[in-house]
Amino acid sequence: NAGVTQTPKFQVLKTGQSMTLQCAQDMNHEYMSWYRQDPGMGLRLIHYSVGAGITDQGEVPNGYNVSRSTTEDFPLRLLSAAPSQTSVYFCASSTRGRGEKLFFGSGTQLSVL
Amino acid sequence: AQSVTQLGSHVSVSEGALVLLRCNYSSSVPPYLFWYVQYPNQGLQLLLKYTSAATLVKGINGFEAEFKKSETSFHLTKPSAHMSDAAEYFCAVSQAAGNKLTFGGGTRVLVKP
Repeated sequence: NAGVTQTPKFQVLKTGQSMTLQCAQDMNHEYMSWYRQDPGMGLRLIHYSVGAGITDQGEVPNGYNVSRSTTEDFPLRLLSAAPSQTSVYFCASSTRGRGEKLFFGSGTQLSVL
Repeated sequence: AQSVTQLGSHVSVSEGALVLLRCNYSSSVPPYLFWYVQYPNQGLQLLLKYTSAATLVKGINGFEAEFKKSETSFHLTKPSAHMSDAAEYFCAVSQAAGNKLTFGGGTRVLVKP
């Protein structure tokens, strides 16, 4: 059971570099989302998608782009990394609907120098 | 708008003692409430959820939580702590539509032998 798979697990970037965090799920979930986790702040929603071709902004979208071309994949792009984007990033998926259980990946720890 | 406040960023309990983690929320709609647990270097896992059915909700690993509308609270308890309960716990409230969650800042539980 793969569930939600995130790659890479660790990444170090220099300010201004770009990269893509990968997220894939094999549960045929319509809903996928990206959160960032910072100490004392819990998790904050970056972007989310309710199905292929549909994305929307969450609480902290600035500096991040997403796309959803397939049900399975939901990559997160950092176009020009900044030190403020140093964080742990989690991808999560669920069936569509309020109150559904979120399935989380194991996270990507990103450091921007 | 929704928000979640978790009282105490760190809690230390002795093995066999009561675990009590506090969560208060605000919500402009009838809330759906969740407790998630994060073990070291892992993603979050659902412990339990309240979605307007019974106010006392039982979850996995012996945890339970009680929804109290008058107090806008959803505190998490476990009668007897086990060493394996050492983790970080997050309370969350579902926004009005979809499956977007607003998380509290988290409470890290340390269990002493």
